[in-house]
Amino acid sequence: DVKVTQSSRYLVKRTGEKVFLECVQDMDHENMFWYRQDPGLGLRLIYFSYDVKMKEKGDIPEGYSVSREKKERFSLILESASTNQTSMYLCASSDGRNTEAFFGQGTRLTVV
Amino acid sequence: GENVEQHPSTLSVQEGDSAVIKCTYSDSASNYFPWYKQELGKRPQLIIDIRSNVGEKKDQRIAVTLNKTAKHFSLHITETQPEDSAVYFCRGDTGRRALTFGSGTRLQVQP
Repeated sequence: DVKVTQSSRYLVKRTGEKVFLECVQDMDHENMFWYRQDPGLGLRLIYFSYDVKMKEKGDIPEGYSVSREKKERFSLILESASTNQTSMYLCASSDGRNTEAFFGQGTRLTVV
Repeated sequence: GENVEQHPSTLSVQEGDSAVIKCTYSDSASNYFPWYKQELGKRPQLIIDIRSNVGEKKDQRIAVTLNKTAKHFSLHITETQPEDSAVYFCRGDTGRRALTFGSGTRLQVQP
């Protein structure tokens, strides 16, 4: 059974802080993704990675960076958190293009 | 990249009625068409998918149909029940490795 685990369920950070969101998958998937979910806006892709140390920008990368030093772990970094980054963040992984994507449980980040 | 448009954004039906959600895609090379369900406070999960070599797939009360000529695929839920209330997402497939989802449909089944 595939497991995608995000390090925190809820997080409250102050404006200007550096924030790390961690995601780990246990199925040796090549591809990992970070999405942001806001009411009425669906799942918007921030960054994705198809291999260790490889990353590509998604649709809304501004204000974010990522790190993939190991295959099973994909981190989302908010260099200087702002209130407009308050949102639900979802990590996902998949084994290829035409296959199921598995999601983590989500991290609800509040920036105050 | 892939453009995936999903309609409607909200749908309210009476229990027992049918619900249909439609997604339109732009990349004619797409060949995998999944639907995900996200219950309140939970993660999205795959409920049904179809590949381009078939036109329809059923799994109990849910079905997905594909029209490759018109570039759209639809989720059909029959005999809806309150537990079908959720947000549903389609996903587009592209030549890129990125996974692009539709904007979501909030389905409300009224008892």
